[in-house]
Amino acid sequence: NAGVTQTPKFRVLKTGQSMTLLCAQDMNHEYMYWYRQDPGMGLRLIHYSVGEGTTAKGEVPDGYNVSRLKKQNFLLGLESAAPSQTSVYFCASSLGTTDTGELFFGEGSRLTVL
Amino acid sequence: GQNIDQPTEMTATEGAIVQINCTYQTSGFNGLFWYQQHAGEAPTFLSYNVLDGLEEKGRFSSFLSRSKGYSYLLLKELQMKDSASYLCVFMDSNYQLIWGAGTKLIIKP
Repeated sequence: NAGVTQTPKFRVLKTGQSMTLLCAQDMNHEYMYWYRQDPGMGLRLIHYSVGEGTTAKGEVPDGYNVSRLKKQNFLLGLESAAPSQTSVYFCASSLGTTDTGELFFGEGSRLTVL
Repeated sequence: GQNIDQPTEMTATEGAIVQINCTYQTSGFNGLFWYQQHAGEAPTFLSYNVLDGLEEKGRFSSFLSRSKGYSYLLLKELQMKDSASYLCVFMDSNYQLIWGAGTKLIIKP
């Protein structure tokens, strides 16, 4: 059972380039999330989805777009990368928010924007 | 606003006990979580408290006082593998998660 899988694990971009991070989960979870983690700060929610075909903005959505065309996949796009987007990105999934709300995380994607 | 405070770093000795405190300020509350994150890895779930009191799970216990906006994670019989960051997270009235910056725990032999 793979759980939550993110690709790619590492990426280096030049300012202005675009890219997509892919997240896949095989636990049939309804909720999926994209977070970024920066040194000295808590995880910050970028976008999330409460089901197939739905997405919503989190705390820091600017510069990112997402899509949830299939229940098991949640894509995070950077249209025009900026150095401020250098970070570690984590995808997570959960059954919902009215149970214990436990999140299951992918291994993370380290993005560097030069 | 909503805020979480936890110490940035703590040091403890192998075999000892350590308590990591967390305080939060929020206008609503739907639960408090603790996650463990080893360096370079993803966070993993440790505990969930929604009612006041102590929840024990093996060597780890988590305590919650909603009236005081306070929680702690207690780790007993520390092992070297417990060296990690411990993230305090609360769920607000809108079921949104608010993450603390984490406490880096260093275990010394």
